[in-house]
Amino acid sequence: GNSVTQMEGPVTLSEEAFLTINCTYTATGYPSLFWYVQYPGEGLQLLLKATKADDKGSNKGFEATYRKETTSFHLEKGSVQVSDSAVYFCALTPSGNTGKLIFGQGTTLQVKP
Amino acid sequence: EAQVTQNPRYLITVTGKKLTVTCSQNMNHEYMSWYRQDPGLGLRQIYYSMNVEVTDKGDVPEGYKVSRKEKRNFPLILESPSPNQTSLYFCASTPDLSGGLTDTQYFGPGTRLTVL
Repeated sequence: GNSVTQMEGPVTLSEEAFLTINCTYTATGYPSLFWYVQYPGEGLQLLLKATKADDKGSNKGFEATYRKETTSFHLEKGSVQVSDSAVYFCALTPSGNTGKLIFGQGTTLQVKP
Repeated sequence: EAQVTQNPRYLITVTGKKLTVTCSQNMNHEYMSWYRQDPGLGLRQIYYSMNVEVTDKGDVPEGYKVSRKEKRNFPLILESPSPNQTSLYFCASTPDLSGGLTDTQYFGPGTRLTVL
């Protein structure tokens, strides 16, 4: 079946540190991949997406590359800020015109000044 | 303002007492979906709807019902709630699935449900 696995959190970093949050997936065909962010007390917001192999999604300094060969979609940011503190979710939608969306368990990021 | 609204935002109820959580969007979106969020499990899809009168099961549909009688509303019904349905629930919508579920999903603010 389809599934998404994220690295365990919480991740604690100092401001301006480099961020990587690992995400791997299991799916048949060519799923679309997403990163969502949830700030405290809020709903989820789409951070970035990639719809085919080797695509790079980017937004607000965050990047992730769709790697078919390693079934991965790791989230990176070169220099985190305190305002990036949030929960990050990796997700996929299976290939085809389906309405299903499958999330990973989420990774909490805490950035300290 | 484009938004997804949910009501109530907080609810404490008892086992077996039927309840409905409403979800409404004002963006004329075709696709709507319900998720529950539990610690360590992320978000899991309960039901989704591709359009009016078209609904389908997500990964955890047991104990829930939905209906889509009009485009803007997608209520979640718990006919006989149990304590294992205590969770944070989110509704979401997206314009359509013409290109697959790749468009931005707009999430509601969440409903925190406690079943005693």
